Amino acid sequence: EVQLVQSGAEVKKPGESLRISCQTSGYKFSDCWISWVRQRPGKGLEWMGRIDAGRKPADISESYTTYSPAFDGHVTFSADRAISTVYLDFASLKASDTGMYFCARLAGGSSTSEFDYWGQGTLVTVSS
Amino acid sequence: DVQMTQSPSSLSASLGDRVTITCRASQDIRHYLAWYQQRPGEVPNLLIYAASTLHSGVPSRFSGSGSGRDFTLTISSLQPEDVGTYYCQKLNTAPLTFGQGTRLDIK
Repeated sequence: EVQLVQSGAEVKKPGESLRISCQTSGYKFSDCWISWVRQRPGKGLEWMGRIDAGRKPADISESYTTYSPAFDGHVTFSADRAISTVYLDFASLKASDTGMYFCARLAGGSSTSEFDYWGQGTLVTVSS
Repeated sequence: DVQMTQSPSSLSASLGDRVTITCRASQDIRHYLAWYQQRPGEVPNLLIYAASTLHSGVPSRFSGSGSGRDFTLTISSLQPEDVGTYYCQKLNTAPLTFGQGTRLDIK
């Protein structure tokens, strides 16, 4: 059974850093891309970007992550293939980062596939 | 970037009604479109991909159509468990943008 299990809710102050994890199981980790999606309170889904979870770039110039322009430079995606886990990192949180964050698996190994499995979501609250 | 616009933003319908939600892309995205359902307080669920292919386990009352710029999600006979928000998503190239959502409830 495919599962994506995310880390628990977080309460942070502006300027603090944060790492959210998404541990996958039930399929070959290297076969699928993972995307991150934000949902602010009472709002719609926002695509943050994606990571080719199983691939390690042979060349530092080779990109295996894609960021939405709205999030580029503010978040970082990474992966630990040994434990089939992807991460979403914030270096310096803002109050506007408050929301629910979902990881989702892209079906079929393509970087432009539909999202067939989702994590349960991680609620992040940023407040002074 | 390609924008995805859904209409209506919200609608109320009676049980058993046929419900139609539309999604328009600002540029041609061929058939690279998915639809998701998000029930209140729950995680989004995939309904339709490649514009018209029903995801495994999704009831047959859901169907999708369209290509190019205009797409439609149809519920043939509205059920109580269909209450929630529906999102389209473009999948041809990054960014994989979602529509703003259509909130559906029971009249």
